[in-house]
Amino acid sequence: DAKTTQPNSMESNEEEPVHLPCNHSTISGTDYIHWYRQLPSQGPEYVIHGLTSNVNNRMASLAIAEDRKSSTLILHRATLRDAAVYYCIPHSLSSSGSARQLTFGSGTQLTVLP
Amino acid sequence: GAGVSQSPRYKVAKRGQDVALRCDPISGHVSLFWYQQALGQGPEFLTYFQNEAQLDKSGLPSDRFFAERPEGSVSTLKIQRTQQEDSAVYLCASSQVNLDNQPQHFGDGTRLSIL
Repeated sequence: DAKTTQPNSMESNEEEPVHLPCNHSTISGTDYIHWYRQLPSQGPEYVIHGLTSNVNNRMASLAIAEDRKSSTLILHRATLRDAAVYYCIPHSLSSSGSARQLTFGSGTQLTVLP
Repeated sequence: GAGVSQSPRYKVAKRGQDVALRCDPISGHVSLFWYQQALGQGPEFLTYFQNEAQLDKSGLPSDRFFAERPEGSVSTLKIQRTQQEDSAVYLCASSQVNLDNQPQHFGDGTRLSIL
């Protein structure tokens, strides 16, 4: 699995945009870049994923570098409910096409200040 | 539209006791995963089922850990002769057939404390 590097922690003010970076320089060509977040006392929650192009959904945007060695999760307007640990996870299917486990790193603890 | 359900939410056991943790995945989800999360760390993979078949159990830390999914739906993770190092949050996740990188849906876990 590709190794990822994320800041241990970040702070943001409420209602401001947040850019969460992730380096994944050893990512393989078949790995999608997944982002999950984990709120306190809850299981991880899927946020977004992409392969090469930038992606948007109702929760966030994902900007992927052209060389795919890094990506940035963008929360357009942080709320207090966005305070969580954010995990960046390169992930692909197995060679047989079946599911594979997610490999979590340490993630980034996001604190949102009111 | 129920999500992944895990029970019990909390479990306290004495060292040496056996415990059983239950996971009810989202209906129709083929893939089921178990993860273990120690305090302050990210979840770590334990085992994976595709329907009733256990395709990967490489993450199980010892032979005291056993998982089953006999009818391809509900799964149980059993830990025999529990040790203090087994204290952790045990997470279950399910996903649809992974034809195009479907996300995994997690339950809120069972927090296991071994005294």
